[in-house]
Amino acid sequence: AQSVAQPEDQVNVAEGNPLTVKCTYSVSGNPYLFWYVQYPNRGLQFLLKYITGDNLVKGSYGFEAEFNKSQTSFHLKKPSALVSDSALYFCAVREGTGNFNKFYFGSGTKLNVKP
Amino acid sequence: SQTIHQWPATLVQPVGSPLSLECTVEGTSNPNLYWYRQAAGRGLQLLFYSVGIGQISSEVPQNLSASRPQDRQFILSSKKLLLSDSGFYLCAWSVVLSYEQYFGPGTRLTVT
Repeated sequence: AQSVAQPEDQVNVAEGNPLTVKCTYSVSGNPYLFWYVQYPNRGLQFLLKYITGDNLVKGSYGFEAEFNKSQTSFHLKKPSALVSDSALYFCAVREGTGNFNKFYFGSGTKLNVKP
Repeated sequence: SQTIHQWPATLVQPVGSPLSLECTVEGTSNPNLYWYRQAAGRGLQLLFYSVGIGQISSEVPQNLSASRPQDRQFILSSKKLLLSDSGFYLCAWSVVLSYEQYFGPGTRLTVT
């Protein structure tokens, strides 16, 4: 079965500094990887995805993610953090079988950006 | 554009009472539909998914059931709620060829 792991329960960073939120994956076949963000008491919002192609994927709100096949990682990054980036971030992997998409989510990483 | 609605937004129910949460999707046809539960503001647990009307698959045995009476309507139900059913319930949809999954605003359920 497919799975993703987010090894950090929480990441703290100062505003203006670069941020990284880590994700590693375990899949059979080609990985389809995603990042989502969740603000308090809200649904998850799609940030970006890796399907194929360039290892550096750019997404919403200035976020990007780097796919590394040898390290089976898909870390989320942003060059300069904003206080408004504080939220819960989820990594996910898709398993597609026939006419159905099934998604496996990591446990989430809480990002705290301090002013 | 596509939108997804969930209601109610919040719900407080006593133990042993029934439950019905509704999710509807607009702007797309024949979506895959999903119910997740998020406990303690963290990981998502997939409860049910559906690839079409009347087609429901359950991921974990539990006190809940799901139904899909119309193409873009997905309902989560329980005959008798347990304290452990408390949580944040999220509905989501996807279209197979797009790979992405989109989430509704969620329903906060508190069982007292």
